Amino acid sequence: NAGVTQTPKFRVLKTGQSMTLLCAQDMNHEYMYWYRQDPGMGLRLIHYSVGEGTTAKGEVPDGYNVSRLKKQNFLLGLESAAPSQTSVYFCASSSLDPGGSYEQYFGPGTRLTVT
Amino acid sequence: LAKTTQPISMDSYEGQEVNITCSHNNIATNDYITWYQQFPSQGPRFIIQGYKTKVTNEVASLFIPADRKSSTLSLPRVSLSDTAVYYCLVGGRAAGNKLTFGGGTRVLVKP
Repeated sequence: NAGVTQTPKFRVLKTGQSMTLLCAQDMNHEYMYWYRQDPGMGLRLIHYSVGEGTTAKGEVPDGYNVSRLKKQNFLLGLESAAPSQTSVYFCASSSLDPGGSYEQYFGPGTRLTVT
Repeated sequence: LAKTTQPISMDSYEGQEVNITCSHNNIATNDYITWYQQFPSQGPRFIIQGYKTKVTNEVASLFIPADRKSSTLSLPRVSLSDTAVYYCLVGGRAAGNKLTFGGGTRVLVKP
């Protein structure tokens, strides 16, 4: 049981390049999330999904797109990277069980640098 | 989503109890209070969650007064490995279980 995994772990992009970050979870969770964390700051929600085929905007969605084609995967895309998108990106998932704790399980993060 | 206020940093010593208080004056009726721990270069990890009164698990206790406008995370007998950032979050039961992270409290445990 791997939990939440993220690919890649590190990436360096040039301004204007595009890339996709992959998040996978093996806990059969309904909800998935993408956050970014800038140095010394808390996490900010970019986009989230409440189920396969659905996505919604979070606090800082501009410059990012997401897709949830399969329940276990949540992809974050940067179409034209900018230096302001240099950050650590965390993916998380949580369950729908009303009797549960609604705990979010986080991946190890992807460190992205845009030059 | 309810805004939270917590101290920026706290220092403690090994073996002491650490108490971190979080203010959330505009907490909604359906909101739960959740605490996460984050070590450098890692994703946050769930510590404890509660709605009212007191909740205890194997790593921490959470005290919530009757008005629910604040909460206190208590870490008993901390060790050096408890040095981390601790986030207080309110919400999590609305559609999508969305969470809003504040700046957190940086706890430094000294030998």
